[in-house]
Order: sequence, then structure tokens, then C-alpha cells
Amino acid sequence: DIQMTQSPSSLSASVGGRVIITCRASQSIRNYLNWYQQKPGKAPKLLIYAASSLQSGVPSRFSGSGSGTDFTLTISSLQPEDFATYYCQQSYSFPHTFGQGTKLEIK
Amino acid sequence: QVQLQESGPGLVKPSETLSLTCTVSGGSFSSYYWSWIRQSPGKGLEWIGYIYHSGSTSINPSLKSRVTISVETSKNQVSLNLSSVTAADTAVYFCARVSSSRSLDYWGQGTLVTVSS
Repeated sequence: DIQMTQSPSSLSASVGGRVIITCRASQSIRNYLNWYQQKPGKAPKLLIYAASSLQSGVPSRFSGSGSGTDFTLTISSLQPEDFATYYCQQSYSFPHTFGQGTKLEIK
Repeated sequence: QVQLQESGPGLVKPSETLSLTCTVSGGSFSSYYWSWIRQSPGKGLEWIGYIYHSGSTSINPSLKSRVTISVETSKNQVSLNLSSVTAADTAVYFCARVSSSRSLDYWGQGTLVTVSS
């Protein structure tokens, strides 16, 4: 299985700030990398697919980059509703594994 | 708008079989793969597997000996069976649509299944 490692596991930031979450794959996954946001008691929500494509309806303050093994999710100008847990997922090979999650909290 | 709804028992006894159904409304059922994912309490996400309307499946090898995923196209439903459950199978189970980019673009709300006697 391809292992997905996110860092940091948690971070705190202020409204209006900028955060970067990284995701590293144990082998190349080309650009088959997706990012999800999950709030407590809710299903995950797709934010970014194919490493850098913004899902329809997702605010442009979310952006993704990377290819191969290293990827980033950047959230600029943090809004109160952005405080949640973020997961990366590779869809290059089966099983389509997820990272362990990054919890973003308000500073 | 595509909507997915999981249904099934919320409590299953150890060693028995967990059975869930995902009913899809809106969109084209037969044009997509449909996936199951689970999340143990306070933990991360685990991909279980997916199925196409033709019945073609891919299952996580860690669960393959216990998992069956099936489809009933006439009802726009996908089902998950997980046999010989233990407390470690206690989780929220989600179904989701697999997009053409292989991401999970629509999700059900999830259903909590507790394994306990």
C-alpha cells in the first residue's frame, strides 16, 4: 500500500492568516492526489482533486500543488468556517489510502 | 443534485455480518463508480472499496476476505457486507461517488455502526 503522511498533525492559526499543509506519498503517485475538509459529525468534503484542481463551489482561497511524492494544500486568508480537519488521499493505486489528517484550530 | 443515503442496523453483534445499503438519487448512477469508506471513532479515514454498475469491484486487501460490495442498478443502490465483525469494525461508514478524476466528490452523511454484544 502507498503510505500518505501529512504534516503537521495539528496547527493553530488566526482568522485572516495563511496555512500550508503538506502530504507526502511513500512512492510516486503522479498527480492523483485529493484534499478533503471534514468538520465534526459531518462527511468529508472534496476541496481539491488531481493535486491542483479546485472542486466546483470551493472558495479560491484554497489551492493545491505538487506532483510525484510531495504535495501541499494552502489556505490563504483563513475564515472561521475553515477550522476543520483536512485529509489528503491518493487515488493512483489500490487501495486509495488517506493521510492521517491535519486538525486546524483557531489561535 | 446528487444525494447519497446510507442505511442499515446501527448495532451488530461480534462475529455477525454488518450489512449496509447506499441509495443514490440524482445524477447518472450507471456512469460512476461508488465507494465505501469508514472512520473509526476519533480516527482517520479508511478506504474500503468500490464498485461499478457492471459489478466490477476493487476491495482493500486488508478487508478483502471479509468484504462484499454489490450493486442493484434498478434501485440505484450499492451494498456493503462485512463479515465476522469485531469491535475494531465499529465506525462511521460512508458511501461516496467516485468522480472521473478518481476523487470522492459526493458523500452520504454516514452511518454509525457499533459492534457490541
